[in-house]
Amino acid sequence: EDQVTQSPEALRLQEGESSSLNCSYTVSGLRGLFWYRQDPGKGPEFLFTLYSAGEEKEKERLKATLTKKESFLHITAPKPEDSATYLCAVQGNDYKLSFGAGTTVTVRA
Amino acid sequence: ETGVTQTPRHLVMGMTNKKSLKCEQHLGHNAMYWYKQSAKKPLELMFVYSLEERVENNSVPSRFSPECPNSSHLFLHLHTLQPEDSALYLCASSQEGLDQNEKLFFGSGTQLSVL
Repeated sequence: EDQVTQSPEALRLQEGESSSLNCSYTVSGLRGLFWYRQDPGKGPEFLFTLYSAGEEKEKERLKATLTKKESFLHITAPKPEDSATYLCAVQGNDYKLSFGAGTTVTVRA
Repeated sequence: ETGVTQTPRHLVMGMTNKKSLKCEQHLGHNAMYWYKQSAKKPLELMFVYSLEERVENNSVPSRFSPECPNSSHLFLHLHTLQPEDSALYLCASSQEGLDQNEKLFFGSGTQLSVL
């Protein structure tokens, strides 16, 4: 069974203080690793898909990287509007999508 | 209206009530999903419909009954729920099914409380 573990559970940052979120996974044949952002009272919103180890993708202050066992979401010089819960999900050869429990990021001005 | 719309946003029901959750997608997608999100737990896939046909049912109790009358609408009928069913219920859609390795578009969810 595929497993996704996200750490830390919660992260409090000062504005401008860069940090990284971790997503560790075990999957039978990775077809894709997905990052989503979820704001309070809303559904998850797609950020990135990574397909193979070594791949990197960027969007504004966010950068996602992928290895064979984990993915990192780097937040560079975060702003208060980056406060959200970030979800990681993996899709294996059985096409099932398994989500982690998320990391809740709070950025203080 | 664009995206995925869910109604109601909040629902409080007793254990003997019957209610329905509604989802509508305006994206022209062919697949729709119901997910359950409980606090501090991963999203749990409940049902998947592709081209209006149910293709996945993840051992969900029969007190949850999905209905997909067309590719734009999805319902989740609820009856005799238990307090542990209290959660955020999310609807999502994608262009094709999960086997296309695609991103999902989520609605804002229905926050359900069972008393």
